[in-house]
Amino acid sequence: EVQLVQSGAEVKKSGESLKISCKGSGNTFSTYWIAWVRQMPGKGLEWMGVIYPGDSDTRYSPSFQGQVTISADKSINTAYLQWSSLKASDTAMYYCTRRSGWPTGGFDPWGQGTLVTVSS
Amino acid sequence: QSALTQPPSASGSPGQLVTISCTGTSSDVGGYNYVSWYQQHPGKAPKLMIYEVTKRPSGVPDRFSGSRSGNTASLTVSGLQPEDEADYYCSSYAGYNNLIFGGGTKLTVL
Repeated sequence: EVQLVQSGAEVKKSGESLKISCKGSGNTFSTYWIAWVRQMPGKGLEWMGVIYPGDSDTRYSPSFQGQVTISADKSINTAYLQWSSLKASDTAMYYCTRRSGWPTGGFDPWGQGTLVTVSS
Repeated sequence: QSALTQPPSASGSPGQLVTISCTGTSSDVGGYNYVSWYQQHPGKAPKLMIYEVTKRPSGVPDRFSGSRSGNTASLTVSGLQPEDEADYYCSSYAGYNNLIFGGGTKLTVL
């Protein structure tokens, strides 16, 4: 059974940088797409972007283009989401999730989530 | 691109049938066979319930089914169970490498 394990909760200040991770189990990590999804406190799901670790082909939501960077290291089965300068409005739970194809299939499984708290 | 439109809430008694709608446009829900539905219990990660409009992943009870008519997709839960109480989100590919979610529906089992 494939699992996605995310890095732990982070507490940062506005203006600081941050990189969170998502590690996949098994030897098929490079052959699936990994997406990041934001959920602000008490709000719904927002798709941020997706990456194919096999060749690092990356697609961003227009809402998040230029605001974050998605990357991956297929040698260690890990995808990343990073910010160069955090804002208080980045406070949210961030999930990574896998998709068998783009845009085919659905998001399954999901990581446990990484809570990012940014103080101003 | 605006979020897909879902009713904020839905409810039903155990054993009943409930349908949750997800309305978009011909550029997303009506234009592609890439509509998915997710269940999220409080404090938990979402779980895939339906993908590609009507397909059900292994392990998802057959009480859950998906359909679409024009620009509106629907998730139907038949034989409602107490454990079905959760938030439900639809999503759709919207072209140009973009994907959007609905605002979510809170399903209450009375």
